[in-house]
Amino acid sequence: KQEVTQIPAALSVPEGENLVLNCSFTDSAIYNLQWFRQDPGKGLTSLLLIQSSQREQTSGRLNASLDKSSGRSTLYIAASQPGDSATYLCAVRGGNEKLTFGTGTRLTIIP
Amino acid sequence: NAGVMQNPRHLVRRRGQEARLRCSPMKGHSHVYWYRQLPEEGLKFMVYLQKENIIDESGMPKERFSAEFPKEGPSILRIQQVVRGDSAAYFCASSPGTSPTYEQYFGPGTRLTVT
Repeated sequence: KQEVTQIPAALSVPEGENLVLNCSFTDSAIYNLQWFRQDPGKGLTSLLLIQSSQREQTSGRLNASLDKSSGRSTLYIAASQPGDSATYLCAVRGGNEKLTFGTGTRLTIIP
Repeated sequence: NAGVMQNPRHLVRRRGQEARLRCSPMKGHSHVYWYRQLPEEGLKFMVYLQKENIIDESGMPKERFSAEFPKEGPSILRIQQVVRGDSAAYFCASSPGTSPTYEQYFGPGTRLTVT
């Protein structure tokens, strides 16, 4: 059974700093991994998708990496802004199509 | 192309009533997934459907919950005889197929409150 862990559960950093969010998963037989952000009381916004054959994906100030063999992914956010404050979720997709989510990292950017 | 639509956005039901949650996938998407987010917990898979077929319902509670995705119209998640423990945010996602290149796109969710 796939299990996804995100550490830390919460993180506060001053505006402008670069930061890294971590995600680990127990079963390396994945099709892809998605990073999402969720604002309070809102839905999920997809940030990046990394296929199992890929090592990283970039979108603007975001860079996600994937090391399937070790069961790890990181989301790097450069030059953080107050608007980046949200909960960040990673989810892995196996051959059965369903996503298994981590419990998220609640990020607060301090102006 | 409109995103995934869910309605209602908020739903209040008394214990014992029925709740019907609707999900319209993105245009061209034939795969629908339902997830539940209980208070202070992560999102959990419930059911995966294609048009007129339930593909995987391994995350659905065995009783009171059912889902459908008819040939015409939205996907429906139905909860009969709701209890307080059903209070949660229910999210629907859709994708165009099963390729690993495809993302699942999420709707805004329906927040169910059982009083």
